[in-house]
Amino acid sequence: AQRVTQPEKLLSVFKGAPVELKCNYSYSGSPELFWYVQYSRQRLQLLLRHISRESIKGFTADLNKGETSFHLKKPFAQEEDSAMYYCAPGDNFNKFYFGSGTKLNVKP
Amino acid sequence: KAGVTQTPRYLIKTRGQQVTLSCSPISGHRSVSWYQQTPGQGLQFLFEYFSETQRNKGNFPGRFSGRQFSNSRSEMNVSTLELGDSALYLCASSLGGVGGSRLNTEAFFGQGTRLTVV
Repeated sequence: AQRVTQPEKLLSVFKGAPVELKCNYSYSGSPELFWYVQYSRQRLQLLLRHISRESIKGFTADLNKGETSFHLKKPFAQEEDSAMYYCAPGDNFNKFYFGSGTKLNVKP
Repeated sequence: KAGVTQTPRYLIKTRGQQVTLSCSPISGHRSVSWYQQTPGQGLQFLFEYFSETQRNKGNFPGRFSGRQFSNSRSEMNVSTLELGDSALYLCASSLGGVGGSRLNTEAFFGQGTRLTVV
């Protein structure tokens, strides 16, 4: 069965500190990996996808197929990064397996 | 362009009743997926429709069903409601790559319908 683990429910860091949100997955086949974000009172939205190899809002994510991890990183956290973050492997047919989410709180 | 629209935003139903939720995707999007979000189980995939056909289904009982119309609008129906069906139901639309294409799998989410079963 497909499984996504985000071990931290809540992650609090100070502004300017590095942040890493962990994601480990167990998936049969070759999923595409995504990170979705939900800011307060906003819709769930795509942050980044591994196939694009982009850096969005300073965030990057490295896919480690050996460890089946897709951790999200940012070198210097900003207060506006405070949000709920979901790791989500997905397949061809727009079926996403969402992790339980990590709430990032960036303190001033 | 207009985003994904879900109606109604809030619903209160009684156990045993049935409910229909609606989702209007972004214009041009042919794929619509439905998710259930609860504090205990998080976001769980219900089903996905593409060009009026159900392509994928999650592990939910048969009380949960859906359909998609020719204009890509989708409805989700839950029959014989149970207290545990109380949740936020999210709809997501995407262009929906066909077959082996992964190019169009970014999903755009609606704001959800909050269903409360009493």
